[in-house]
Amino acid sequence: ELKVEQNPLFLSMQEGKNYTIYCNYSTTSDRLYWYRQDPGKSLESLFVLLSNGAVKQEGRLMASLDTKARLSTLHITAAVHDLSATYFCAVDKRGGADGLTFGKGTHLIIQP
Amino acid sequence: EPEVTQTPSHQVTQMGQEVILRCVPISNHLYFYWYRQILGQKVEFLVSFYNNEISEKSEIFDDQFSVERPDGSNFTLKIRSTKLEDSAMYFCASSPGLAVRNEQFFGPGTRLTVL
Repeated sequence: ELKVEQNPLFLSMQEGKNYTIYCNYSTTSDRLYWYRQDPGKSLESLFVLLSNGAVKQEGRLMASLDTKARLSTLHITAAVHDLSATYFCAVDKRGGADGLTFGKGTHLIIQP
Repeated sequence: EPEVTQTPSHQVTQMGQEVILRCVPISNHLYFYWYRQILGQKVEFLVSFYNNEISEKSEIFDDQFSVERPDGSNFTLKIRSTKLEDSAMYFCASSPGLAVRNEQFFGPGTRLTVL
């Protein structure tokens, strides 16, 4: 059974600070996805990481993937209040168009 | 920009009743999915659908659940006899079905409340 673990599950930080969210998964996979969810809303695709060493950046967010370590990170640089949300990582098991297995999510609060 | 749509946004039903949740995937996408999210918990995969048949389903997707693509645009999830524990947000998603990139696009969700 594929397991996806995120940590921390809850993070409160101040604007201007940097932090990293970690996502570990239990099986071989070359594809990892990061989603953002605002309260009561749907999931918004942030990053698609398709190979070992992949790094993607969008604004203050940067995601990376190490398939050998089965680890992805989401790094937040100089956080701003608008980034407050829950962030999920997700993995698909076999390739193709499988259902995604999600982590429990990291609830991020950025205080002014 | 094309998006996945879902109706209704909120459905309230009595335990034991049947409900049908509706989704319109992005028009040129080939794979369709249902997920659920119990309040405050993680998103859980239910079922994937391709070429008019189920391609994968999870342990959650038991005989009480069924999916259908009744026409060229709608994708439905039916729960035959709802239970209290079926209360959750149900998300539909679709993907282009490219072998190298399974990016799934999610709809706004239907909040199902079973009383």
